[in-house]
Amino acid sequence: GAGVSQSPSNKVTEKGKDVELRCDPISGHTALYWYRQSLGQGLEFLIYFQGNSAPDKSGLPSDRFSAERTGGSVSTLTIQRTQQEDSAVYLCASSHRGINYGYTFGSGTRLTVV
Amino acid sequence: AQKITQTQPGMFVQEKEAVTLDCTYDTSDQSYGLFWYKQPSSGEMIFLIYQGSYDEQNATEGRYSLNFQKARKSANLVISASQLGDSAMYFCAMREGRSGGSNYKLTFGKGTLLTVNP
Repeated sequence: GAGVSQSPSNKVTEKGKDVELRCDPISGHTALYWYRQSLGQGLEFLIYFQGNSAPDKSGLPSDRFSAERTGGSVSTLTIQRTQQEDSAVYLCASSHRGINYGYTFGSGTRLTVV
Repeated sequence: AQKITQTQPGMFVQEKEAVTLDCTYDTSDQSYGLFWYKQPSSGEMIFLIYQGSYDEQNATEGRYSLNFQKARKSANLVISASQLGDSAMYFCAMREGRSGGSNYKLTFGKGTLLTVNP
């Protein structure tokens, strides 16, 4: 597609339930990133995928968070046993590899845990 | 230590005036890229401007320019002729290059909320 597509755009879930967030990057972008943005805050790095390399999971806040990227394209971020502090906007971005390439962001998934 | 510091949580500017949003960064790499993004209330992240560490000239994109002072490690965003639609959160970010491979992830500052007054 022309841009980075994220779904769902909004998700309300009950505490303790699992959720899956999906990201479809720009075709040809080898790098894919997940960030989290809590209300009024900056962007917190979660995880990075680059081609067939092992992902950089250094930003995942707990073992309840996991992500995969299938076939070097679509990525799914899974949060198990959601907690209220997981409420945030989850942003996905993709880019070419290299320092002079910025990200193209998706419009995000707003997750609310009640 | 913070890699990207934006010291202005909020800024106000009158419509049609220029405004400078501050950003300082910290890196030991020689090769890096600096970016500014705009995030309006709708939440989307919009790329504005890029400056490479080896670029000798300041980057410009329309009403946006980046005042790059390498020795001071600052990369301030200048918006000329402010418009009401410029009201948004602005994030400075850096992408570092390292030998031996790196994830090249963008590190973001905490942002500056710009309000343009009519």
